[in-house]
Amino acid sequence: QKEVEQNSGPLSVPEGAIASLNCTYSDRGSQSFFWYRQYSGKSPELIMSIYSNGDKEDGRFTAQLNKASQYVSLLIRDSQPSDSATYLCAGGVQGAQKLVFGQGTRLTINP
Amino acid sequence: SAVISQKPSRDICQRGTSLTIQCQVDSQVTMMFWYRQQPGQSLTLIATANQGSEATYESGFVIDKFPISRPNLTFSTLTVSNMSPEDSSIYLCSAQRGNTEAFFGQGTRLTVV
Repeated sequence: QKEVEQNSGPLSVPEGAIASLNCTYSDRGSQSFFWYRQYSGKSPELIMSIYSNGDKEDGRFTAQLNKASQYVSLLIRDSQPSDSATYLCAGGVQGAQKLVFGQGTRLTINP
Repeated sequence: SAVISQKPSRDICQRGTSLTIQCQVDSQVTMMFWYRQQPGQSLTLIATANQGSEATYESGFVIDKFPISRPNLTFSTLTVSNMSPEDSSIYLCSAQRGNTEAFFGQGTRLTVV
């Protein structure tokens, strides 16, 4: 069973601080990883994708991938109340064109 | 990216009846999937909708309960058959081009009474 694990939270961060979200995965063959943001009552929207070891930055968001340790993280700098949402980590399944999702981390940014 | 239109957005159905959910993508995609999301939970993959052939179901999901069609590269339907209150959930369609990021429809909130 391919698994993606996240701390379900809730994670509470003051406005302006850095929010750090973490995810581990069991499938060593996974080559692609994604972070989705889901507001309550809405469908998931893609925030970041990462395929190579290291960091990938996009605006206030940085995704980090460490394949040796099998973890993926998402950093949100200068957190805003509008960042309050559930963040889902997903990994591609080796040999199959489908994704496995973690249980999601609920993030709250406090003004 | 891809724009995905899913309908209906919500429905309230009587137990024992069936509901068909439609998913339309604005461009051709390789893969289409159907997920279920219980309140406060993550996404559970129901099946992969294969164009021109039978869908591939995940463990715990069967074709008789969740028949799926995919007549072409932009359209798919999921039917929830013989519904019971336990089927109340959000159903999500997603699309991918190859082994890349998935994009989601807006979801269908189903309540079975």
